[in-house]
Amino acid sequence: GAGVSQSPSNKVTEKGKDVELRCDPISGHTALYWYRQRLGQGLEFLIYFQGNSAPDKSGLPSDRFSAERTGESVSTLTIQRTQQEDSAVYLCASSFTSGVTDTQYFGPGTRLTVL
Amino acid sequence: GEDVEQSLFLSVREGDSSVINCTYTDSSSTYLYWYKQEPGAGLQLLTYIFSNMDMKQDQRLTVLLNKKDKHLSLRIADTQTGDSAIYFCAEMKGNQFYFGTGTSLTVIP
Repeated sequence: GAGVSQSPSNKVTEKGKDVELRCDPISGHTALYWYRQRLGQGLEFLIYFQGNSAPDKSGLPSDRFSAERTGESVSTLTIQRTQQEDSAVYLCASSFTSGVTDTQYFGPGTRLTVL
Repeated sequence: GEDVEQSLFLSVREGDSSVINCTYTDSSSTYLYWYKQEPGAGLQLLTYIFSNMDMKQDQRLTVLLNKKDKHLSLRIADTQTGDSAIYFCAEMKGNQFYFGTGTSLTVIP
């Protein structure tokens, strides 16, 4: 079956522009996570959706970052007025529930480069 | 395919060593990573190894890399209850990260 997919795989943008990253989770997975990995650093949690509950936005680094999810399907992560420090790989993961032992399935990531 | 494979579950007794195994897909991968996810928390980078290394040790953690077999392992010495978590291996190929599905480690007191 299909895994988690993300698009685009690579995105190069100019400083100050807005970008939108897309994540398609595995069908039936209620939990969806966004992470960011900058070069040489570990994964950084950004935001988490569980069903219809209000998302946990505690990891968003600034108000330029926002994310939406329609029901239990596609999610988009939007970065407004991009800065060079936003350059990173953005990873999406989904799991069946948000249980602590539930396996998170990761997409391949979107590599964002801000010039 | 792009599958990074791990066993889903591992149980060990407190004080024993844990060995978590991973097979990856591409011998040209440059970096290989181990991440830990504790209950209710995001992923935490534990350690990584560059592909030209065979072994890396960091306190209780030992990473072994067998490039020929594309096999990566994480050994945790003197496993503690606080080590209970899900452990993910990941490979970096080009611009993309590929993660395994995670191994849930349960430490029995």
